[in-house]
Amino acid sequence: QQKVQQSPESLIVPEGGMASLNCTSSDRNVDYFWWYRQHSGKSPKMLMSIFSNGEKEEGRFTVHLNKASLHTSLHIRDSQPSDSALYLCAASDRGSALGRLHFGAGTQLIVIP
Amino acid sequence: GPKVLQIPSHQIIDMGQMVTLNCDPVSNHLYFYWYKQILGQQMEFLVNFYNGKVMEKSKLFKDQFSVERPDGSYFTLKIQPTALEDSAVYFCASSPRQGANSDYTFGSGTRLLVI
Repeated sequence: QQKVQQSPESLIVPEGGMASLNCTSSDRNVDYFWWYRQHSGKSPKMLMSIFSNGEKEEGRFTVHLNKASLHTSLHIRDSQPSDSALYLCAASDRGSALGRLHFGAGTQLIVIP
Repeated sequence: GPKVLQIPSHQIIDMGQMVTLNCDPVSNHLYFYWYKQILGQQMEFLVNFYNGKVMEKSKLFKDQFSVERPDGSYFTLKIQPTALEDSAVYFCASSPRQGANSDYTFGSGTRLLVI
């Protein structure tokens, strides 16, 4: 069973619109959460990390985390065609000293000009 | 920003042969990782490595797999012998410190096809 579930699988938004992506862990042994963006054929690049309850904003990107429900969300406002990519959510395993990440299957975001 | 380089980007190999995947991590990073992604599925942790040793490995890290980083050169993943189910994209990552909240830098992956 996957430890990290993402929804939706794919999302189409118009340019300038808001994209909202969700991620939940079914395993209470996860701790910190990351959001990565991966363009086709490229390496996953970290967008934002969130370690405590609440909200964090960087430019057009906002992440929320509810540790009680192990749910995080990523919101992209004023979406641009260049934001079109696969967005991966990852959670770290609390029991790992060196760090190991559990990834979701991703949300494919398409921003239409 | 700093990059993790993976060589080769693509590899096709006959089942039963040996393959070595190479990773050039970020220069001041000390912790190294391999992840495996089968087509259409999520990335899954294989192994982490520090100070010349495997620290943790998952069930996916079969006996046919080995990792090493001789004398600060490439961090390698060797599969010997390869099996059809080893076909996947293998991502290398490195981080500057240990811990669950460490930042990771990922490479672009090596696409391995075993035929």
